[in-house]
Amino acid sequence: NAGVTQTPKFQVLKTGQSMTLQCAQDMNHEYMSWYRQDPGMGLRLIHYSVGAGITDQGEVPNGYNVSRSTTEDFPLRLLSAAPSQTSVYFCASSYGTGGGQPQHFGDGTRLSIL
Amino acid sequence: EDQVTQSPEALRLQEGESSSLNCSYTVSGLRGLFWYRQDPGKGPEFLFTLYSAGEEKEKERLKATLTKKESFLHITAPKPEDSATYLCAGYPGGSNYKLTFGKGTLLTVNP
Repeated sequence: NAGVTQTPKFQVLKTGQSMTLQCAQDMNHEYMSWYRQDPGMGLRLIHYSVGAGITDQGEVPNGYNVSRSTTEDFPLRLLSAAPSQTSVYFCASSYGTGGGQPQHFGDGTRLSIL
Repeated sequence: EDQVTQSPEALRLQEGESSSLNCSYTVSGLRGLFWYRQDPGKGPEFLFTLYSAGEEKEKERLKATLTKKESFLHITAPKPEDSATYLCAGYPGGSNYKLTFGKGTLLTVNP
């Protein structure tokens, strides 16, 4: 099993550009989520999904869109990149939909917005 | 507002010097407390879940405990390979799927 796979690992964008961060898991997990990690801020939830076709907002959703068309994939879209979105982005998945199961994380995408 | 506070922010130990990391929380109706380890350039790696006060879990040199207000991660006779950032997160339960993470404790174990 590959677990949770995130691509790309690194990306540099210019302000105003758009891009999609990819996340795929091969564990048949219902729950998937996106976090951003900034120095001194800890992990903050951006969006999450409890199953295909179902998504909801987390703590810091502004500027990001998600969709969940399959169980395996949960892409995160930046519509118009801003320097404040410079961060490390982590995708995670877990068994079940109750949130009480341990989440498995990918190794992150390091994103810089110039 | 749910909050998770970890202390200290950084801890430097000598190999074999036991210590504890603290995670205090104000998460309404806490249903689960998670501990993760994060190595530089990697995603968090799951260590433990604690569900009720008084519960303890162990893995090698690590033991996690939970009270009604805080959790401790005890590290016994640490080795340099235990150096990492340790994160804790609270889960409020019910239909709220949002974990609240602390900022982490950076542990350095010197040989």
